[in-house]
Amino acid sequence: DGGITQSPKYLFRKEGQNVTLSCEQNLNHDAMYWYRQDPGQGLRLIYYSQIVNDFQKGDIAEGYSVSREKKESFPLTVTSAQKNPTAFYLCATRQGAQNYGYTFGSGTRLTVV
Amino acid sequence: AQTVTQSQPEMSVQEAETVTLSCTYDTSESDYYLFWYKQPPSRQMILVIRQEAYKQQNATENRFSVNFQKAAKSFSLKISDSQLGDAAMYFCAYRAIIQGAQKLVFGQGTRLTINP
Repeated sequence: DGGITQSPKYLFRKEGQNVTLSCEQNLNHDAMYWYRQDPGQGLRLIYYSQIVNDFQKGDIAEGYSVSREKKESFPLTVTSAQKNPTAFYLCATRQGAQNYGYTFGSGTRLTVV
Repeated sequence: AQTVTQSQPEMSVQEAETVTLSCTYDTSESDYYLFWYKQPPSRQMILVIRQEAYKQQNATENRFSVNFQKAAKSFSLKISDSQLGDAAMYFCAYRAIIQGAQKLVFGQGTRLTINP
């Protein structure tokens, strides 16, 4: 079945560590997105990529980095510069210029310990 | 900048009753798309319904329908014959095009509780 796989489901990070969240899709969708979800704030856009080897900052990119070396993969690194990384992270994809909404992964819950 | 506002942090309804969730948005675009997403306790985001701004007819999907008021920039979701499985967070979203790129802008969400 086509879909989006986010791993791991739960991730714990120590203060000062970088961690990488994985997002893999086999939908052959062009665009990929990373959103952060905090209670009471909805989803906020971190980074997005419309094509391979190209990506842009979203509204809250500080402390995060991404790469898009393959169409299928869009990993998100949470760096030590991100002061409050505990949150739920969602990866999403969109096919071309269609406006049928986005397809979302099942998310990764990141907790700083 | 495009913004989406959901003014009801929480709503509750009796099973089998009807409930309406509110959403307003701000935009200067004339052609755009609006969406309602459902996030159950599993936290999987599920597309419930979408509306094209150029269509005057309100979208419907089984028990889910919208009341789209373009001039008022309002996009409410009506759930008829509420079921226990409808309990979830509901997010209103607007498709924005910013610097040539498509993005979804989300509201803060409404937590819907279904009372048996």
